[in-house]
Amino acid sequence: AQTVTQSQPEMSVQEAETVTLSCTYDTSESNYYLFWYKQPPSRQMILVIRQEAYKQQNATENRFSVNFQKAAKSFSLKISDSQLGDTAMYFCALNSNYQLIWGAGTKLIIKP
Amino acid sequence: GAVVSQHPSWVICKSGTSVKIECRSLDFQATTMFWYRQFPKQSLMLMATSNEGSKATYEQGVEKDKFLINHASLTLSTLTVTSAHPEDSSFYICSASSRAPDQPQHFGDGTRLSIL
Repeated sequence: AQTVTQSQPEMSVQEAETVTLSCTYDTSESNYYLFWYKQPPSRQMILVIRQEAYKQQNATENRFSVNFQKAAKSFSLKISDSQLGDTAMYFCALNSNYQLIWGAGTKLIIKP
Repeated sequence: GAVVSQHPSWVICKSGTSVKIECRSLDFQATTMFWYRQFPKQSLMLMATSNEGSKATYEQGVEKDKFLINHASLTLSTLTVTSAHPEDSSFYICSASSRAPDQPQHFGDGTRLSIL
């Protein structure tokens, strides 16, 4: 069975600090895609970043980057220079058979 | 990015009423649409997957007769909660995909359903 695990229910950091959210997954597929979505208090789901499993290079989108460790089945999200607007729930997801397998989410609070 | 419109954003109605939620992809052809339910402080729970022109595939435990899904075109899918009861109160979110595995799902803004 495909699973996604986010072991940090909640995290908080000061504005401008760097924070890393962890995600591990399990799949038997050789190629797959991983995503991080953000859900702010407005509850809109926003794509943050995606990673293709066969690409060794870690994906980067401005202040957001991932540390993809395929052998360890780890897909962590790093947010640099955190901003108040980064406060949200963050969900890690694995694309399997065109469906997304979701982690339980990490609530991230950025403190002023 | 791709735009998915979901309406209404908030519904309050009496028990026993049927409620229809629409999900439209505005700028791409959505071969597949997904309907999720989200309880407070929890992750998304997939209810069903619908492909254009075919019957929806429901996840285990989701009542097909309670949650009717129609995907009549490449841009529109609807979820109808029939004879809604207070326990159906929740946040419902749709997403649309072109069914390419590297393409992310694009989400609507969600519908908050409150049954009195």
